[in-house]
Parts: sequence; structure tokens; C-alpha cells
Amino acid sequence: NAGVTQTPKFQVLKTGQSMTLQCAQDMNHEYMSWYRQDPGMGLRLIHYSVGAGITDQGEVPNGYNVSRSTTEDFPLRLLSAAPSQTSVYFCASSPGTAGNQPQHFGDGTRLSIL
Amino acid sequence: GDSVTQMEGPVTLSEEAFLTINCTYTATGYPSLFWYVQYPGEGLQLLLKATKADDKGSNKGFEATYRKETTSFHLEKGSVQVSDSAVYFCALSSRTGNQFYFGTGTSLTVIP
Repeated sequence: NAGVTQTPKFQVLKTGQSMTLQCAQDMNHEYMSWYRQDPGMGLRLIHYSVGAGITDQGEVPNGYNVSRSTTEDFPLRLLSAAPSQTSVYFCASSPGTAGNQPQHFGDGTRLSIL
Repeated sequence: GDSVTQMEGPVTLSEEAFLTINCTYTATGYPSLFWYVQYPGEGLQLLLKATKADDKGSNKGFEATYRKETTSFHLEKGSVQVSDSAVYFCALSSRTGNQFYFGTGTSLTVIP
């Protein structure tokens, strides 16, 4: 049971570099989302998708892009990394968009921007 | 907008003590409410949930009751164990179910 798989687990970037955080789920979930976790601020939603080809912004979308070409994959792109994007990033998925569906989380990607 | 406010930590308890972590929410309509737990170096795991008023979610000795009149969803456990040491997050899902809102997390340490 792989569940939600995030890669890489750790990454260090220099300011201005770009990179893609990968997220894949093998549960055929329609809904996928990206969060960042910062001390004292809990988890904040960056972007989400309710199905292949459909994405939308969350609470803190600036500086990040997403796409959803397949049900399984939901990559998060940082086009020009900034120190303010140093954080732990979590991908999550759930079976549908009904409000009572809990989310399944990956183990996170710890990203440092120098 | 929708939001969740939970009790700030850290909380330190002795083994077998009673635990309460307070959580209140602001939401339009009738959200679903959740408690998640995060162990060091891991992602969040669902602990329990409640989808309508007066529902009680329970799991592993933890309980929380959805109180619409006080807009609260406090987490309780009668006797904590060292293995309960973790960070606990209260969360709600928006009316459409498309967005989740998390509290800031409460760190719990249980000492033998």
C-alpha cells in the first residue's frame, strides 16, 4: 500500500532556482492538494485539484504552479525559488470532494531555499 | 472566511493524565470537523472525524463531539500514554468540500 508518495524528501535550492515537487497516489482519488507547513501557522493550502485537468488556488498560491494531467499525479512547481518558500510541503488526496471525506497525507518534502 | 482556532501548546502531561485540547471554528453552513495527528518526521494521519452537529468521533481512546451551539470540537482522552506524544491538528472542510482549514497544531508530550 503505497498511498501518497512524495519525492524528494529533502531538497536545498538557491534563490532563483526552479524545481518540481512530485506527488503520486495509487488510490484512484479524485481530490489532491498541496499544503505548506510553517512553525506556528499550521498547514496552509497552496493549490488543489478536484480531478484530472482541473486545478484551483488555495490560501497561499503565489509563487507556485500546479497541473493535473492524470488522476495519479499532482506536481508542484516553484518557478523561481525564494527564501520565504522554505517550508515543509505536504501532498494529500481524498476519494472525492464531499466535505466529510478525510485526506490522506504523504510524508512531506522538507525544502530549504538559501 | 472559514477558520479554526486551537489551543496553543506545548502541552506536557504525565502518563495516565486526562487530556483536553480545545478547538473552535468559524464556518459558513455546516462543515465537517476532523482531528489529525502528526508524529515526528511523518505526514498527518486522520485521528477522528464528525460530519454533523452532535456527532461524536472516537478512535484509540480519543473523543471529540461536534458542538454547533458553541462551534467547538474539543479533543479529549481519559488516560494518555507516552506513545500519544505528537502534534495534534484540528481541521474543518469547507461547505463545498474543496478546501480544508487547519489549526496551528498543539504539541503534546507525555512523560512517564
